[in-house]
Amino acid sequence: AQSVTQLGSHVSVSEGALVLLRCNYSSSVPPYLFWYVQYPNQGLQLLLKYTTGATLVKGINGFEAEFKKSETSFHLTKPSAHMSDAAEYFCAVSGPNNDMRFGAGTRLTVKP
Amino acid sequence: KAGVTQTPRYLIKTRGQQVTLSCSPISGHRSVSWYQQTPGQGLQFLFEYFSETQRNKGNFPGRFSGRQFSNSRSEMNVSTLELGDSALYLCASSLDVPRENEQFFGPGTRLTVL
Repeated sequence: AQSVTQLGSHVSVSEGALVLLRCNYSSSVPPYLFWYVQYPNQGLQLLLKYTTGATLVKGINGFEAEFKKSETSFHLTKPSAHMSDAAEYFCAVSGPNNDMRFGAGTRLTVKP
Repeated sequence: KAGVTQTPRYLIKTRGQQVTLSCSPISGHRSVSWYQQTPGQGLQFLFEYFSETQRNKGNFPGRFSGRQFSNSRSEMNVSTLELGDSALYLCASSLDVPRENEQFFGPGTRLTVL
């Protein structure tokens, strides 16, 4: 079975600072990994996903994530935080049976 | 292109009642998945429908059921509501297999069970 663990339910950064949201996964087969963002009163929006191939994945809004098999990690980063990045972020994994398992989420606060 | 729409957006029911939620996917999308989001359990996969057939199912009791129509619109039903069913129910659509194709989420239906 697949699962993900997001380290830190809340992360606070200053505007312009590096954003780092941590995600570790567990999977018995090569995983498909995803990062989603959820703004208040809205559904989820896909930021990026890793399937196979290049381990550094670039997504929308300047976010990127690196798949590290040896560390079973898929951390999300953005070099410079913007106020509009304040939201909840979810890491997810999908195995061969296509069910999506989400992490508990990390709420990102951006301070001016 | 219109996004995924869910109706109603808000719903209040009492214990023991049943409820039906509706989801209209993006035009051309044949896969519809349902998720339950609660503060305690987070986001949990309920089931996925493709071409009117349930293709995948999460670990929820039989009180939770769904169906998909020929136009890909989907409904989910919860019978004999319990307080713990209070949640945001999210629907997502994709062209086909969710892990291979981007899922687009609707804004959700917030169900409150009193």
